[in-house]
Amino acid sequence: GAVVSQHPSRVICKSGTSVKIECRSLDFQATTMFWYRQFPKQSLMLMATSNEGSKATYEQGVEKDKFLINHASLTLSTLTVTSAHPEDSSFYICSAREGASYQPQHFGDGTRLSIL
Amino acid sequence: RKEVEQDPGPFNVPEGATVAFNCTYSNSASQSFFWYRQDCRKEPKLLMSVYSSGNEDGRFTAQLNRASQYISLLIRDSKLSDSATYLCVVNRYTNSGYALNFGKGTSLLVTP
Repeated sequence: GAVVSQHPSRVICKSGTSVKIECRSLDFQATTMFWYRQFPKQSLMLMATSNEGSKATYEQGVEKDKFLINHASLTLSTLTVTSAHPEDSSFYICSAREGASYQPQHFGDGTRLSIL
Repeated sequence: RKEVEQDPGPFNVPEGATVAFNCTYSNSASQSFFWYRQDCRKEPKLLMSVYSSGNEDGRFTAQLNRASQYISLLIRDSKLSDSATYLCVVNRYTNSGYALNFGKGTSLLVTP
């Protein structure tokens, strides 16, 4: 089955630090990648959608200057949380979709971010 | 009205029981439907897609009623390993194409 790798799985850092999370599709080319955030006991909330080679489209309320997304190739997308603060602590999950919009998304393992 | 609504549960059932989860969605233009399962503090994993004609995968049966905008998942002969949160997922159109809307999930606990 389709495999998506996300790294790192766990990050603990001080307030003000910038954190970079990588998402890779290992055995398929991901035309579209998605970044989600999930707070405890809440549903996954889409932050942004990125297509390879183009700028990401951010959901309403998500600051594009704070959450920088780069989708440089068909197998790699990165999310950088700039100047992270405690309220940014959450479970960040990427997903990737191979082709048509009706295809399911496959998720990475997630990154648990804790800002002290 | 939330875009995807599920009964949060929890559903506590004994091993071997049959359990059914329901889900409703608000966007009649949705085209794709899925059930994912999510274990505690883990990423969601695709369980199955849901087709209009209904589909079955082993002990799992999914049904879709487009007229009622209703999706169901039936689990037969529950196993301990089925304990998880089951997410009803519906696609929606955004400025950058189709994205997924997740329900909050229904929690299932299968007990010995």
